[in-house]
Amino acid sequence: DGGITQSPKYLFRKEGQNVTLSCEQNLNHDAMYWYRQDPGQGLRLIYYSQIVNDFQKGDIAEGYSVSREKKESFPLTVTSAQKNPTAFYLCASSIKGGATKNIQYFGAGTRLSVL
Amino acid sequence: GQNIDQPTEMTATEGAIVQINCTYQTSGFNGLFWYQQHAGEAPTFLSYNVLDGLEEKGRFSSFLSRSKGYSYLLLKELQMKDSASYLCAVRDLDKGAGSYQLTFGKGTKLSVIP
Repeated sequence: DGGITQSPKYLFRKEGQNVTLSCEQNLNHDAMYWYRQDPGQGLRLIYYSQIVNDFQKGDIAEGYSVSREKKESFPLTVTSAQKNPTAFYLCASSIKGGATKNIQYFGAGTRLSVL
Repeated sequence: GQNIDQPTEMTATEGAIVQINCTYQTSGFNGLFWYQQHAGEAPTFLSYNVLDGLEEKGRFSSFLSRSKGYSYLLLKELQMKDSASYLCAVRDLDKGAGSYQLTFGKGTKLSVIP
């Protein structure tokens, strides 16, 4: 069964703590993305990666970091510098960034809350 | 930059037809996507338009007018399970990064009532 797996489904962060959200895909997609969704807001792009060992900042990258050491994996770390981390985080992947009909497929999301 | 507008909420009756509009302003348009998102779940792809006109897929159709910066999603024979948020997303060129990116509207929450 091909798809995108995000874990954990729910995550709680303490003050000053870094937390890492996992995203794994077995669709053989080149490009991967992280979005943040807040109530009443559209999805906002945090980081994206079009190829292994390369990634770019999106619109709201401050307070977040990523790595892309393997094609299948694109973990997102929410650092203590992110002062308002409570949100629904969505990971997506697509065939490649420059494709014309570049459909992004989404994981089930991680809901992050601050204790 | 991008500016994407869609209504915040809509209500329609089971069995009816509903049209959800999306207007956008962009400098490097390269396609428009519609996604469906049930509460607390992942968005799922519904349709894609890059040329003007209507794309039909079963009960769902999507229309695009590039000159007007306008799209709509048409849902026919509404079912209770169609109650969800519908996200309009525009793909354009991020010149700084040299790659295409999606910008999402805030979504339209559709409630289907008996």
